[in-house]
Amino acid sequence: AQSVTQLDSQVPVFEEAPVELRCNYSSSVSVYLFWYVQYPNQGLQLLLKYLSGSTLVKGINGFEAEFNKSQTSFHLRKPSVHISDTAEYFCAVSVRGHDKIIFGKGTRLHILP
Amino acid sequence: DAGITQSPRHKVTETGTPVTLRCHQTENHRYMYWYRQDPGHGLRLIHYSYGVKDTDKGEVSDGYSVSRSKTEDFLLTLESATSSQTSVYFCAISARDRGQTGELFFGEGSRLTVL
Repeated sequence: AQSVTQLDSQVPVFEEAPVELRCNYSSSVSVYLFWYVQYPNQGLQLLLKYLSGSTLVKGINGFEAEFNKSQTSFHLRKPSVHISDTAEYFCAVSVRGHDKIIFGKGTRLHILP
Repeated sequence: DAGITQSPRHKVTETGTPVTLRCHQTENHRYMYWYRQDPGHGLRLIHYSYGVKDTDKGEVSDGYSVSRSKTEDFLLTLESATSSQTSVYFCAISARDRGQTGELFFGEGSRLTVL
């Protein structure tokens, strides 16, 4: 069965500094990978996804993620964060051809002024 | 707006009472999901459906049942609510049947408190 590990429960970072949110997955077969964002008191929305092809995926709001099959990772990055990026970020995995989508425990991004 | 409506949005109930949460979609998608969100646990899949009357268990299905008698509605039932089921419940639909592999669209959530 697939699983997702988000290594950091909280990440503080100064405004305009770069940030990386880490995600590792476990699966013996090919997967699809996703990052979702949840702003305070809202539902979740898709930030970006990796299905196949280029391992560097660009998403909304300047975020990008890189799929690394050998390290089974899908880390999320942004070169310069803004106060509006304050949110909780969830990594998710789905096995190709299957319907289950499993989420990690989330990482809270705190932007410091 | 993905056309997903959850009801009720807020509910307080007592231990041992049955509770049903409803998810209604206007998108005619096959795939629907119920997740619960708890601090420190992220989102955990309870049950999902891949068509009318076709459902399967997720990670934390004990104490929950679901029904899908028509495409647009996916019901989550707690037969006898317990305090451990106090949570925020999210319904989601997938556009997988239209080529948008894996992308989920979430409802606004239903906050359930079991006293």
